[in-house]
Amino acid sequence: AQSVTQLDSQVPVFEEAPVELRCNYSSSVSVYLFWYVQYPNQGLQLLLKYLSGSTLVKGINGFEAEFNKSQTSFHLRKPSVHISDTAEYFCAVSHDTGFQKLVFGTGTRLLVSP
Amino acid sequence: DTGVSQNPRHKITKRGQNVTFRCDPISEHNRLYWYRQTLGQGPEFLTYFQNEAQLEKSRLLSDRFSAERPKGSFSTLEIQRTEQGDSAMYLCASSFGTATNQPQHFGDGTRLSIL
Repeated sequence: AQSVTQLDSQVPVFEEAPVELRCNYSSSVSVYLFWYVQYPNQGLQLLLKYLSGSTLVKGINGFEAEFNKSQTSFHLRKPSVHISDTAEYFCAVSHDTGFQKLVFGTGTRLLVSP
Repeated sequence: DTGVSQNPRHKITKRGQNVTFRCDPISEHNRLYWYRQTLGQGPEFLTYFQNEAQLEKSRLLSDRFSAERPKGSFSTLEIQRTEQGDSAMYLCASSFGTATNQPQHFGDGTRLSIL
């Protein structure tokens, strides 16, 4: 069975500072990895995905993430955050076989203040 | 691309009543998923359709929950005899094709509140 751990439930940061949101996963088979963002009272929007190939993936809104197979991690980073980045961020994993059931972490709330 | 549409956005009902939610996926998407999200948690998978076939429903929370996708277009999720614990956000997602790496596109969800 797969699982996802997001160790930080909340990350406060000042505007224009860098940020890293941590994600670790466990799985006995190969996986695909995703980061989604959720704004209040909205659904989830895909930020970026890792399927194969280069371990550094770039997404929308200036976010990027690095897949580290040995550490089973997929941390999300942004070099300079904006107030508008305040939201809930979810890391998710799916198998590379069968149907694509996403298993989500519990989320990290990013709070950007001026 | 009009996105995934879910109706209603909010539903308030009394305990014991039946509720039905609708999801309209992106038009060319053949796969459709339902998730439930409770406060402070990530979405939890419930069920999955490929076209009109419900291929995975073991995660539906009880026999009070059922889902349909007639004609492989829109889908409905019904909860019978609602309980307090059913209060949550119900999310629908869709994806295209049969490859397992296709990203899922989510709707804005239906928030259910049980009085």
